[in-house]
Amino acid sequence: SQQGEEDPQALSIQEGENATMNCSYKTSINNLQWYRQNSGRGLVHLILIRSNEREKHSGRLRVTLDTSKKSSSLLITASRAADTASYFCATDAKNSGSRLTFGEGTQLTVNP
Amino acid sequence: NAGVMQNPRHLVRRRGQEARLRCSPMKGHSHVYWYRQLPEEGLKFMVYLQKENIIDESGMPKERFSAEFPKEGPSILRIQQVVRGDSAAYFCASSPKRTGGEFQGQPQHFGDGTRLSIL
Repeated sequence: SQQGEEDPQALSIQEGENATMNCSYKTSINNLQWYRQNSGRGLVHLILIRSNEREKHSGRLRVTLDTSKKSSSLLITASRAADTASYFCATDAKNSGSRLTFGEGTQLTVNP
Repeated sequence: NAGVMQNPRHLVRRRGQEARLRCSPMKGHSHVYWYRQLPEEGLKFMVYLQKENIIDESGMPKERFSAEFPKEGPSILRIQQVVRGDSAAYFCASSPKRTGGEFQGQPQHFGDGTRLSIL
């Protein structure tokens, strides 16, 4: 598997439910970031968690990071139809310069 | 504040032609990154530039692809003699300073991309 691999590939839920997406990676990182992409648009930064942090919150978003397992999760609570998008994790690996390595993404569909 | 501006949004070229993609970073940003996205896939890093310098081009194909970020004007990603496999969405991102290493992380700000189609 490649760096920054999301699971599941696709997720369909009803409005009001919570959505959880997972990301696994391989190398040591400086930080891990989550981005959102609406169809036909660019990526929008959601949240950044540093390697020395374990959990971070931003509004309805909660991100966890487990560096021992090289994994992260993104939780969206009380989902809305407008949350429908693709979600990507991206790792800023140590000694990688400034490039981000993206996973393949999770396509989230929130049904009204 | 204008975000990262990319143009054109859509570009159609025939095989063998040249494609020039432009990116104007956010105001105050001097670091530019180019990524390529194939359908149903994540973004793949291509090149990282600062004004007048290529910092990391480890993701760039060795032939036909080049990038620049001149002192004045936008960053340009140039693809010569395009082939069908070059069809993809090309995204540019910018940041005010380096986003990795000792700075412990800053987000990159993305444009809406250029969708390149090769006939």
